[in-house]
Amino acid sequence: DQQVKQNSPSLSVQEGRISILNCDYTNSMFDYFLWYKKYPAEGPTFLISISSIKDKNEDGRFTVFLNKSAKHLSLHIVPSQPGDSAVYFCVGGSNYKLTFGKGTLLTVNP
Amino acid sequence: DGGITQSPKYLFRKEGQNVTLSCEQNLNHDAMYWYRQDPGQGLRLIYYSQIVNDFQKGDIAEGYSVSREKKESFPLTVTSAQKNPTAFYLCASSMPGTSGRYLDEQFFGPGTRLTVL
Repeated sequence: DQQVKQNSPSLSVQEGRISILNCDYTNSMFDYFLWYKKYPAEGPTFLISISSIKDKNEDGRFTVFLNKSAKHLSLHIVPSQPGDSAVYFCVGGSNYKLTFGKGTLLTVNP
Repeated sequence: DGGITQSPKYLFRKEGQNVTLSCEQNLNHDAMYWYRQDPGQGLRLIYYSQIVNDFQKGDIAEGYSVSREKKESFPLTVTSAQKNPTAFYLCASSMPGTSGRYLDEQFFGPGTRLTVL
């Protein structure tokens, strides 16, 4: 039972354009959501988060949107840079526990 | 320099042997976690500990054991009962409420890649 789904295993965009990574969830008990970024053979690093009572959170080039009625969230990166190339995990959080999606590999081409 | 260390980075063991993965943090975090990542998969929670001398099973605890005798340390033992132990293991820690944030941001170590031969 996959509670957090990232249906696109990979995404490729041009430098300077917008990257949109999507995520759907089934567990209504998540209190918050996070996005983590991960490079190969390294631990994930926190990118941005959003409370379940908000619909948008912005931090520099990164914006996360939450649509609770659709149980959908998305991460927007604009403008995209080659250094953004990594695997992005959508994560649902509740009571100390995080539930990870399978990740989306983002490739930003120069 | 605060952070989480995991050692070793690469570990090889023969089938049937128990192996213990180290995780140490000097962030003064109360909570610590162990995850496993397999190719093309997200991270799956093995065990977590909210305070010293207490821990709970995660989603895939079978074949693993942990201890939390010190706040800084949360070692994971992969036992011979674990059917598919070859994976990338990640340790994390968190301190809910830190810096006025209630969101449980977890900080991850660099990981240990375990290969069972």
